[in-house]
Amino acid sequence: QVQLVESGGGVVQPGTSLRLSCAASGFSFSSHGMNWVRQAPGKGLEWVALIWYHGNKGEYADSVKGRFTISRDNSKNTLYLQMNSLRAEDTAVYYCARINGYTDDYWGQGTPVIVSS
Amino acid sequence: QSALTQPRSVSGSPGQSVTISCTGTSSDVGAYNYVSWYQQHPGEAPKLMMYDVNKRPSGVPDRFSGSKSGNTASLTISGLQAEDEADYYCCSYTDTYTDVIFGGGTQLTVL
Repeated sequence: QVQLVESGGGVVQPGTSLRLSCAASGFSFSSHGMNWVRQAPGKGLEWVALIWYHGNKGEYADSVKGRFTISRDNSKNTLYLQMNSLRAEDTAVYYCARINGYTDDYWGQGTPVIVSS
Repeated sequence: QSALTQPRSVSGSPGQSVTISCTGTSSDVGAYNYVSWYQQHPGEAPKLMMYDVNKRPSGVPDRFSGSKSGNTASLTISGLQAEDEADYYCCSYTDTYTDVIFGGGTQLTVL
């Protein structure tokens, strides 16, 4: 069955970096685009970044553009999110999700990121 | 770009029906039949309940139905059950650079 497992979250200070990973299994990873979506404490869902199946290009929310980079390694069935210059407002649970058509049909359980001094 | 507009909360008694609305613009909900709905229980990941406005993924009860009129999409849950109590988020494809836009979420309470 489809499984997405995020890792790499933690507590970091403002201005530092963190790299999240999302290990995919149970489907042809290289055939699907992938999203990162985050949820701040007590808040709603916010789309963060998208990468198409070929991995040539990422697209980003304004709030993270220039600071975050989405990438993938299809040989390892793994999605990444490199987060630089972290801010307090980046504190959230980060989910990876599989794109299927025009929807996200499977989501991981999320990894928490806390940016605090 | 502002989030899609959802009511903050709705409620209903077991067995009743409730409808959650999701209002966007002619650039997102009104432009495409690519509206999805997600259910999220506390502490859990979102779960896809409806996609392409009115298509149910395998395993989702037929008590859940979706529709759209103009710039507003709706999720209707009939025969409410206790386990339906959760947060619900709508999501639409958009022709702006963000590609994807979420609603602010609706808390469903089963009385």
